[in-house]
Amino acid sequence: AQSVSQHNHHVILSEAASLELGCNYSYGGTVNLFWYVQYPGQHLQLLLKYFSGDPLVKGIKGFEAEFIKSKFSFNLRKPSVQWSDTAEYFCAVNALGSNSGYALNFGKGTSLLVTP
Amino acid sequence: EAQVTQNPRYLITVTGKKLTVTCSQNMNHEYMSWYRQDPGLGLRQIYYSMNVEVTDKGDVPEGYKVSRKEKRNFPLILESPSPNQTSLYFCASRDGRVHEQYFGPGTRLTVT
Repeated sequence: AQSVSQHNHHVILSEAASLELGCNYSYGGTVNLFWYVQYPGQHLQLLLKYFSGDPLVKGIKGFEAEFIKSKFSFNLRKPSVQWSDTAEYFCAVNALGSNSGYALNFGKGTSLLVTP
Repeated sequence: EAQVTQNPRYLITVTGKKLTVTCSQNMNHEYMSWYRQDPGLGLRQIYYSMNVEVTDKGDVPEGYKVSRKEKRNFPLILESPSPNQTSLYFCASRDGRVHEQYFGPGTRLTVT
């Protein structure tokens, strides 16, 4: 089965600091890539997605992510975080053409705490 | 408003007492799935359905059943719940042509 790795389980940043969350996946074929955010007590919301084209994708709330095919990576970035970005972040991969092509495989999540 | 709804949102039950968590979507999506979320493990897929009367196991199907008699509904059934099924459950749906999934609000289940 395909796997998704998120390198940082817990991240603590001060407001205005820059953010980069790592995500790597293990599948050599075509993929659709997603970052979801889960604010405390809420359900998952889509931050951004990559299907094809420009590997640098921009999402909501100033987030962006870059797909680097050679590195099997899809890292999430934000130049300046705010206290309201405190949440859990999940990377997810849809491995097209695989025997689990309809499944969305999630990483284990990164818990981000932004301090004032 | 396009949405996925789940009921109940919170449930506390005892070991062995059958329960059903309902899931409904109003977007006419073919694909629906159930996930459970546990600390440190992320979201893991329990079951999915590619259309009416078509269901298949995900990564962690043991102890769960599903049915898909109508396109909009995809209930999750726990015939004999056990404490290790205490978790946060999410239902999701997706259009067959587009790979973005829409998630329900979650159901927090506690089995004592």
